[in-house]
Amino acid sequence: SSELTQDPAVSVALGQTVRITCQGDSLRTYYASWYQQKPGQAPVLVIYGKNNRPSGIPDRFSGSTSGNTASLTITGAQAEDEADYYCNSRDSSGNHLSAFGGGTKLTVL
Amino acid sequence: QVQLQESGPGLVKPSQTLSLTCTVSGGSISSVGYYWTWIRQHPGKGLEWIGYIYYSGSTYYNPSLKSRVTISVDTSKNHFSLKLSSVTAADTAVYYCARDPGGIAAPGEYYFDYWGPGTLVTVSS
Repeated sequence: SSELTQDPAVSVALGQTVRITCQGDSLRTYYASWYQQKPGQAPVLVIYGKNNRPSGIPDRFSGSTSGNTASLTITGAQAEDEADYYCNSRDSSGNHLSAFGGGTKLTVL
Repeated sequence: QVQLQESGPGLVKPSQTLSLTCTVSGGSISSVGYYWTWIRQHPGKGLEWIGYIYYSGSTYYNPSLKSRVTISVDTSKNHFSLKLSSVTAADTAVYYCARDPGGIAAPGEYYFDYWGPGTLVTVSS
């Protein structure tokens, strides 16, 4: 199955830690990747693999997986982290398909 | 630095075929292991994976769109293309192209590392 479920909205106080989750059977087989999207902009990869950050992504972003749930954690959230976040994973059926979660709107208070 | 750029008509009439091209610069579209991908986003909505073409030419499509989608590659022009037939207003969206390194770095690691800026396609008469 390639269905990925995310909470529609999450909020965090400035400087605090927030976890955004993504659930799906495919996460037992494949790592999730995480994307940040700000209004009017293309998505940006922030976490991939076990817990890898592309060059330029602050180290306050981290990723983890437990069972069928992947998590994106922002430790010490900043105002500029307010954005939509999407997870993505391959389908575990072996059909080379891909799918995104519905997205989580992060508000930094 | 790899860059991707979508191009194509911004307005398509209902029942016609939407055609977009993604030009890749800073890298070869023939490089081993890469999946060249199309993704779309309906206004105010989430991301939807449309499909991709593997460097070998194999294609994989979202089952919900499979009957209408064709993705192809032109290695001589270093670009890949999307065709979506029989469009309706429901196909109005921002269309993105992206690159998936296809697990080259490590097995099981699939992700979209480079994206185009996106192009809005409106389906309307």
